[in-house]
Amino acid sequence: EAGVTQFPSHSVIEKGQTVTLRCDPISGHDNLYWYRRVMGKEIKFLLHFVKESKQDESGMPNNRFLAERTGGTYSTLKVQPAELEDSGVYFCASSRSGTGNFKEQFFGPGTRLTVL
Amino acid sequence: GNSVTQMEGPVTLSEEAFLTINCTYTATGYPSLFWYVQYPGEGLQLLLKATKADDKGSNKGFEATYRKETTSFHLEKGSVQVSDSAVYFCALSQAAGNKLTFGGGTRVLVKP
Repeated sequence: EAGVTQFPSHSVIEKGQTVTLRCDPISGHDNLYWYRRVMGKEIKFLLHFVKESKQDESGMPNNRFLAERTGGTYSTLKVQPAELEDSGVYFCASSRSGTGNFKEQFFGPGTRLTVL
Repeated sequence: GNSVTQMEGPVTLSEEAFLTINCTYTATGYPSLFWYVQYPGEGLQLLLKATKADDKGSNKGFEATYRKETTSFHLEKGSVQVSDSAVYFCALSQAAGNKLTFGGGTRVLVKP
């Protein structure tokens, strides 16, 4: 079973440009999460999809960030326009749905974003 | 809101030494607690978990006990190996499958 994949692994852009990050979850996982780690600080939650619907987007920092999950498969996270403080590592995670009390989140390797 | 505090690193150890990484949390109710590990160049992996008070999670020689009275979930390993060099993250979740709240991470370097 393939794990969570993210593309690109690294991205270097200039302030004001646009960047789109992609996450492919594990096949069959309805839950998809985006997190980010900025400047070596703690990893912070951004948002949670259940299939194609946004279940919780309370962690999205501002309206320069747009996440989509059309068709409930892969997801994209667009930053437009990028600012210096957006630099960090963006992680994607996925988990199963269904009954049961615990659903492990499986993480991708992350995308390192550098805004100059 | 929820928060997790863990000891800052880096922690440098010799092989076969004892490792402890402290983790305390603030949350309402009874969160589930986790330790994730990130090896170089890889994504985060769930190392162990505990879902209720006094539960002990264990995996790969690592252990952590959910202490409700001290709101702690300290990670321990009796004899570390070079391959344990990684960044360790303590985390909590208020409900199964829901968002994780992480601590700042602790980098551990084990030297031969």
